Amino acid sequence: AQSVTQLGSHVSVSEGALVLLRCNYSSSVPPYLFWYVQYPNQGLQLLLKYTTGATLVKGINGFEAEFKKSETSFHLTKPSAHMSDAAEYFCAVVGSNYQLIWGAGTKLIIKP
Amino acid sequence: NAGVTQTPKFRVLKTGQSMTLLCAQDMNHEYMYWYRQDPGMGLRLIHYSVGEGTTAKGEVPDGYNVSRLKKQNFLLGLESAAPSQTSVYFCASSYSGAGLGSGANVLTFGAGSRLTVL
Repeated sequence: AQSVTQLGSHVSVSEGALVLLRCNYSSSVPPYLFWYVQYPNQGLQLLLKYTTGATLVKGINGFEAEFKKSETSFHLTKPSAHMSDAAEYFCAVVGSNYQLIWGAGTKLIIKP
Repeated sequence: NAGVTQTPKFRVLKTGQSMTLLCAQDMNHEYMYWYRQDPGMGLRLIHYSVGEGTTAKGEVPDGYNVSRLKKQNFLLGLESAAPSQTSVYFCASSYSGAGLGSGANVLTFGAGSRLTVL
């Protein structure tokens, strides 16, 4: 069965520092992977997705993620954190019934 | 562009009461979903629909019912609310797709409905 593990329920970085949010998945089929972001008191919105092709995927707001099959990982990065990046980030993989299976989420805290 | 609209945004119920959450989308999406979000548990799928007149159970369907009488609307009902159903509920919609890599998993979410059951 497919599953998603996000390491760290909270990640704190200083403004301007590198952001790294970790996501590992298990999947019995070629994975289709997603990162969604949830700003306070809002619904989720798509940040980026990997389906096929290039393993480095670029998303909105300067975020990118790299699919590493050998490590079953899809970590999210951003070179320089901004205060507006404070949000909760969710990794997801498509399950065998074509529905998304979600990680528990990681809250990103930006220190001034 | 309204996108996905959920009503009401907040509701407080007493145990045993019933209520309906309404979701409306104006993007002509085929697929619609109801999720619940609880701290530390991510999103859990309650029910979903792949088209007008069709519904299917998700991961946590017990205690909930849904209906999709019109393509643009997806209703979530609680017949007898329990404190365990205290949560934030999100509706989402997406295009249909022929495969895993299609737009079917690019979801547009509503702003959420916060339900408290006392």
